[in-house]
Amino acid sequence: GAVVSQHPSWVICKSGTSVKIECRSLDFQATTMFWYRQFPKQSLMLMATSNEGSKATYEQGVEKDKFLINHASLTLSTLTVTSAHPEDSSFYICSARRFTEAFFGQGTRLTVV
Amino acid sequence: QKEVEQNSGPLSVPEGAIASLNCTYSDRGSQSFFWYRQYSGKSPELIMFIYSNGDKEDGRFTAQLNKASQYVSLLIRDSQPSDSATYLCAVNFGNEKLTFGTGTRLTIIP
Repeated sequence: GAVVSQHPSWVICKSGTSVKIECRSLDFQATTMFWYRQFPKQSLMLMATSNEGSKATYEQGVEKDKFLINHASLTLSTLTVTSAHPEDSSFYICSARRFTEAFFGQGTRLTVV
Repeated sequence: QKEVEQNSGPLSVPEGAIASLNCTYSDRGSQSFFWYRQYSGKSPELIMFIYSNGDKEDGRFTAQLNKASQYVSLLIRDSQPSDSATYLCAVNFGNEKLTFGTGTRLTIIP
């Protein structure tokens, strides 16, 4: 299957700082990428749809100024959690579409202390 | 609201038996259906997708789709301990997005 690489796999940051997470499609071009958040024992919740060359589309209830998404190329999307707080601690996962299938990155475990 | 529902489990199945995972969805117009496996602390990995009514087999896995009943299932034959994971059902409701169920936790008992 297609490979989607996400980095870092885990990060610990201090409250109030910002964290950037990268998502790369390694062997295909992805015009659309998706960012999810998953709390323990819960399912994946879509945060936003990242579109190459245009603004991201955020799901209801997701603060676009807090979760900055940039999709500057066909193989890279980034999610920046700004002014992180402990309640932002979660498992963040990106996915990229290749034709009709969605492939996931390894996920990033964010802990805000 | 477009929804995907799964029994959260846990579902316990003896090794070598057939595990049956079920999923229902709310929109008759749904086009494509996916089963993902997620190990604890890891991201989901695609097992199978199905678009048409009927069965689709891939190795030990069979996906079954019944659009009239708005029901999709995953059968795992000859269950192995390594199959123990959470299985997520995902539905494409006609846009680019996937909507996920809450997942069913499966435990294969040796």
